[in-house]
Amino acid sequence: GAVVSQHPSRVICKSGTSVKIECRSLDFQATTMFWYRQFPKQSLMLMATSNEGSKATYEQGVEKDKFLINHASLTLSTLTVTSAHPEDSSFYICSARDPYLDAQGPQHFGDGTRLSIL
Amino acid sequence: GQQLNQSPQSMFIQEGEDVSMNCTSSSIFNTWLWYKQDPGEGPVLLIALYKAGELTSNGRLTAQFGTTRKDSFLNISASIPSDVGIYFCAGPNLYIGQLTFGSGTQLTVLP
Repeated sequence: GAVVSQHPSRVICKSGTSVKIECRSLDFQATTMFWYRQFPKQSLMLMATSNEGSKATYEQGVEKDKFLINHASLTLSTLTVTSAHPEDSSFYICSARDPYLDAQGPQHFGDGTRLSIL
Repeated sequence: GQQLNQSPQSMFIQEGEDVSMNCTSSSIFNTWLWYKQDPGEGPVLLIALYKAGELTSNGRLTAQFGTTRKDSFLNISASIPSDVGIYFCAGPNLYIGQLTFGSGTQLTVLP
């Protein structure tokens, strides 16, 4: 089945640091990847849709200058949290959809990145 | 935007019992998805439903796509300790690929 790899799994850093998270589709090409944020005991909230070769589409309320997304190849999207602050601490999860196998919706998720800003 | 109402929010059951949870929506979905999330991990797809009225099983899990296309349920039979986790329903919204998630059902299985 489709596999999505996310790295790193955990980051602890000081306030003001920029953090980059990678999301890779391992056995399929993904023209579209998705970035979610999840706070404790809450559901997943879509932050942005990452489109290969073009600009990401951000959900309402998500600062595009704060959360930089780059999708430079069909198997890699990156999310950079710039000048992170404690309120950015959360669980960030990426997903991708195999356009040939999952045309109607199922996405495959990475294992998430636990970001803790001190 | 589209919203999914998932219930119950949490469940505490004895090992061996059956479990049922459901999702409802104010709008029609063409696909219903059920995921399970273990602590500290990403969601894993359990069952995908593509057709109104469809009933699909995956081992001890059974899910149905409601005939109105506005609801779905997930049943787990003969629960075991490894069933513990958060179960989410999800459906693609207006743009292909973007998912809307339910609020989740936290399942605890007591020995």
